[in-house]
Amino acid sequence: EPEVTQTPSHQVTQMGQEVILRCVPISNHLYFYWYRQILGQKVEFLVSFYNNEISEKSEIFDDQFSVERPDGSNFTLKIRSTKLEDSAMYFCASSEAPGSSNEQFFGPGTRLTVL
Amino acid sequence: GQSLEQPSEVTAVEGAIVQINCTYQTSGFYGLSWYQQHDGGAPTFLSYNALDGLEETGRFSSFLSRSDSYGYLLLQELQMKDSASYFCAVLNTGGFKTIFGAGTRLFVKA
Repeated sequence: EPEVTQTPSHQVTQMGQEVILRCVPISNHLYFYWYRQILGQKVEFLVSFYNNEISEKSEIFDDQFSVERPDGSNFTLKIRSTKLEDSAMYFCASSEAPGSSNEQFFGPGTRLTVL
Repeated sequence: GQSLEQPSEVTAVEGAIVQINCTYQTSGFYGLSWYQQHDGGAPTFLSYNALDGLEETGRFSSFLSRSDSYGYLLLQELQMKDSASYFCAVLNTGGFKTIFGAGTRLFVKA
């Protein structure tokens, strides 16, 4: 069964450093998403991406964040100058299309720890 | 702004039926999804309602009333493995933005 994969599973970084979180969406999916979840809290939408551009982004997704689809398979989230409060689980998701069954398939997540 | 309300916790016994309600306030409503998340795991899609009415998928059903800005997830024949957090999530117009509720923690007892 196809699945979304994410690397690394756990990333530890120093405050102020840049990190890149990587995702490989399901191959025939066209819509990609990043979410984050602080431990014990709800899942928070960051950004959606379609046709090589951002479709929607939340208030959280400020200039510190960027996304890229550098090739036909990878989808990355870059966080510049990380802050302590960026520590969270980051989930990538993909879907065939929004609004049909709207089933989004989530990857296993990358746990980011900022020290 | 957008907000979703769902109970923080529900407890039920194995074999029982439980209903998790969700009310929402949003601009540009497109549909309501439900996700399950076990501790340490990723959210897993359960169901989606764009139109009023009941959608049934095995032991799980989901209901939507757009006029009442209300939906619920119904879990039947509860099993211990159903112990998890359940999130309702609103899709905005176009479906490109998904806002999750705070989640309902379901405890299933023997």
